[in-house]
Amino acid sequence: GDSVTQMEGPVTLSEEAFLTINCTYTATGYPSLFWYVQYPGEGLQLLLKATKADDKGSNKGFEATYRKETTSFHLEKGSVQVSDSAVYFCALSPPGFQKLVFGTGTRLLVSP
Amino acid sequence: DAGVIQSPRHEVTEMGQEVTLRCKPISGHDYLFWYRQTMMRGLELLIYFNNNVPIDDSGMPEDRFSAKMPNASFSTLKIQPSEPRDSAVYFCASTLAGVSDTQYFGPGTRLTVL
Repeated sequence: GDSVTQMEGPVTLSEEAFLTINCTYTATGYPSLFWYVQYPGEGLQLLLKATKADDKGSNKGFEATYRKETTSFHLEKGSVQVSDSAVYFCALSPPGFQKLVFGTGTRLLVSP
Repeated sequence: DAGVIQSPRHEVTEMGQEVTLRCKPISGHDYLFWYRQTMMRGLELLIYFNNNVPIDDSGMPEDRFSAKMPNASFSTLKIQPSEPRDSAVYFCASTLAGVSDTQYFGPGTRLTVL
């Protein structure tokens, strides 16, 4: 079935470091891909999305490119801030299905 | 808009008791989703509604769980009887046009069953 695999956390970085969180997926057809972020004590918020191959989603300095050939949607940011500390979830929406399949989440800790 | 509203934010109950979680979606949204988040299983979709009608309840763990949406502005998730393994954070989310559009999540209800 459809699934999403994320790198294990926590990812610990210093402020202004480069961030990569890996995400790969298994799905039939062309799913839509998402990154959601969850801050402590809050619900999930959409960070960015891409709906077709080679699309790049971006928001708040974060980027991810839909790579069909490698079935990946890695999240990157050039310079992280302490305020980016949160849990990041990669997710897919199978074509024709009204549901999101989430990865297990990756916790990011950024220190000053 | 106030966003998705969930109540209560925290619930502590004893095994065997009935628990009712409540959700008010964003006005105008026609899809509503219930999720459960645990350390062991991550984030799981339990059930979703479209225009108040349940569309897919395949994620509901067992008959102890039930969900209703009597109108466009209110939904409940009920657990009867509750068990310690039901302890989790339960999220409600809503969206306007389906999953390919942004789902807006509520703050969640943290349920502890003793």
